[in-house]
Amino acid sequence: NAGVTQTPKFQVLKTGQSMTLQCAQDMNHEYMSWYRQDPGMGLRLIHYSVGAGITDQGEVPNGYNVSRSTTEDFPLRLLSAAPSQTSVYFCASSYRRNQPQHFGDGTRLSIL
Amino acid sequence: DAKTTQPPSMDCAEGRAANLPCNHSTISGNEYVYWYRQIHSQGPQYIIHGLKNNETNEMASLIITEDRKSSTLILPHATLRDTAVYYCIVSDANTNAGKSTFGDGTTLTVKP
Repeated sequence: NAGVTQTPKFQVLKTGQSMTLQCAQDMNHEYMSWYRQDPGMGLRLIHYSVGAGITDQGEVPNGYNVSRSTTEDFPLRLLSAAPSQTSVYFCASSYRRNQPQHFGDGTRLSIL
Repeated sequence: DAKTTQPPSMDCAEGRAANLPCNHSTISGNEYVYWYRQIHSQGPQYIIHGLKNNETNEMASLIITEDRKSSTLILPHATLRDTAVYYCIVSDANTNAGKSTFGDGTTLTVKP
């Protein structure tokens, strides 16, 4: 059981570039989420999914897209990277409502 | 989801109990209280959760007041490895657990 796997661990982008952060879980969890964490701050929810084919917005969805074509994968796409999106991104999953979330190790993203 | 209020920082002597408070005065009847911690810049780690009864597991105890407007996480014998940011969040039983909002948490420093 690998848990929640995020790739890449580090990435540097130039302003305007696009990229996809990958998140995969092997626990057959229905619920998956993406958070960002800016230095010295808590986690803010970007997007979440309650199952394959279903996604919804969190607190800070602007500039990000998600899709959930399979139960296992929940990629996060940056459409046109901006310096304000420099952050650490965490993916999480949980089996069902009221169950604890399992977090990945994060992707550290810098946008120049 | 209800908001939570936590003190920004606390200190604790190694070997003593660490008592971390959380205020959630607007909590509704369906909302669970969850506690997570984040060590350095790792992904958050689930600790414990509860609805109205006190809970205990191998990591900690959770005490919820009778009116459910506040709770306390207790680490019975704090070690240096318990130094971390502790997050208290509340989540509606009828919504996706991944929709939970993380605040800034409490930075617990365990001192020798």
